[in-house]
Amino acid sequence: DAGITQSPRHKVTETGTPVTLRCHQTENHRYMYWYRQDPGHGLRLIHYSYGVKDTDKGEVSDGYSVSRSKTEDFLLTLESATSSQTSVYFCAISPRLAGRTDTQYFGPGTRLTVL
Amino acid sequence: TQLLEQSPQFLSIQEGENLTVYCNSSSVFSSLQWYRQEPGEGPVLLVTVVTGGEVKKLKRLTFQFGDARKDSSLHITAAQPGDTGLYLCAGNNNAGNMLTFGGGTRLMVKP
Repeated sequence: DAGITQSPRHKVTETGTPVTLRCHQTENHRYMYWYRQDPGHGLRLIHYSYGVKDTDKGEVSDGYSVSRSKTEDFLLTLESATSSQTSVYFCAISPRLAGRTDTQYFGPGTRLTVL
Repeated sequence: TQLLEQSPQFLSIQEGENLTVYCNSSSVFSSLQWYRQEPGEGPVLLVTVVTGGEVKKLKRLTFQFGDARKDSSLHITAAQPGDTGLYLCAGNNNAGNMLTFGGGTRLMVKP
């Protein structure tokens, strides 16, 4: 199994509070991703990073920010959580080797409930 | 935006039956992947198909990529309860830096 951990694994918070989710990898992979998973929508990309301090928006980035100050850590922040952000959040990593099809390895997920 | 539609969304079958899951799009993908996800865990890659018309077999699972690289299918022969889970297809865009996921097919195989 790829060395990916997510913390916390479960969190319940109230509307309007800030929340930060952490993804930590031990594989030294260049690319890291944050997805959310909701019934009927599969996985939707929130933000991704292609290196330290290099990030870009995904399909559903509104209301989320990210930071990557070290190769191994990718943080997802909800500045002011809303009930629509109740979801399961997955981090993924990828080596993105030149000339080879990308393969992403997923963490175990964080279940976030916003009341 | 590239969209991938999976069908059926839910499938409940008896052990020993065969099944096929479909993944369709109007967009062309440079490659397509199938993942399997169990409750409480992240998706795990099963296979990547790259060439139009490609067929790959993984024990009782057969994956096919459409000739035009817009669609794919997953066929399971003699399903077993251990096959139960959420099956996701994901297409890689031509830039290769993002995956677009389908909505998933939730499979339950009853003993």
